[in-house]
Amino acid sequence: KNEVEQSPQNLTAQEGEFITINCSYSVGISALHWLQQHPGGGIVSLFMLSSGKKKHGRLIATINIQEKHSSLHITASHPRDSAVYICAVASNFGNEKLTFGTGTRLTIIP
Amino acid sequence: DTGVSQDPRHKITKRGQNVTFRCDPISEHNRLYWYRQTLGQGPEFLTYFQNEAQLEKSRLLSDRFSAERPKGSFSTLEIQRTEQGDSAMYLCASSLEAAQDEQYFGPGTRLTVT
Repeated sequence: KNEVEQSPQNLTAQEGEFITINCSYSVGISALHWLQQHPGGGIVSLFMLSSGKKKHGRLIATINIQEKHSSLHITASHPRDSAVYICAVASNFGNEKLTFGTGTRLTIIP
Repeated sequence: DTGVSQDPRHKITKRGQNVTFRCDPISEHNRLYWYRQTLGQGPEFLTYFQNEAQLEKSRLLSDRFSAERPKGSFSTLEIQRTEQGDSAMYLCASSLEAAQDEQYFGPGTRLTVT
């Protein structure tokens, strides 16, 4: 079992739909990151959180430390949101290296 | 602040050749990480530096791989005697200090070994 599991692996939705991507992890963490990766490889950090909820524009990220679970929500989805969304957890053993999920490929159809 | 840069962006090499990649982190960032990503997978940790000290190396980093950060600024990742299995995207990220600090990623170097 991978330390970080994401679901779904692939998601196709119509423009305007509310999107939810889930991430579960099995190790102790100091922080959880949501990252966005566009074709070509560049990775952009969307959120880093260790508790509660964060919002940035149409994106919302939540984390439940007790349940070892996080969700990324996109409201009013748009074709430009199409990308791979990756959940990554930072180890709490002092090195803060990231362990990544395999990503969720999101496609928003106009 | 120009962000994290990596050079080259793409490298095609023949099996058995040596390659070297460079990463320039954000200037005030003390931590520098190398990750590797193969097609369809999430990135995997390779190694990280706190200033010039290499503090951890993954088991993925065989003895053909070596990384340096000689002055605590830019870093290089060298792969000797490349194999086809080394074909991947090599990503560099930097952060100020610790887990509470966000990691900023470079654009990556895509290596193809023929």
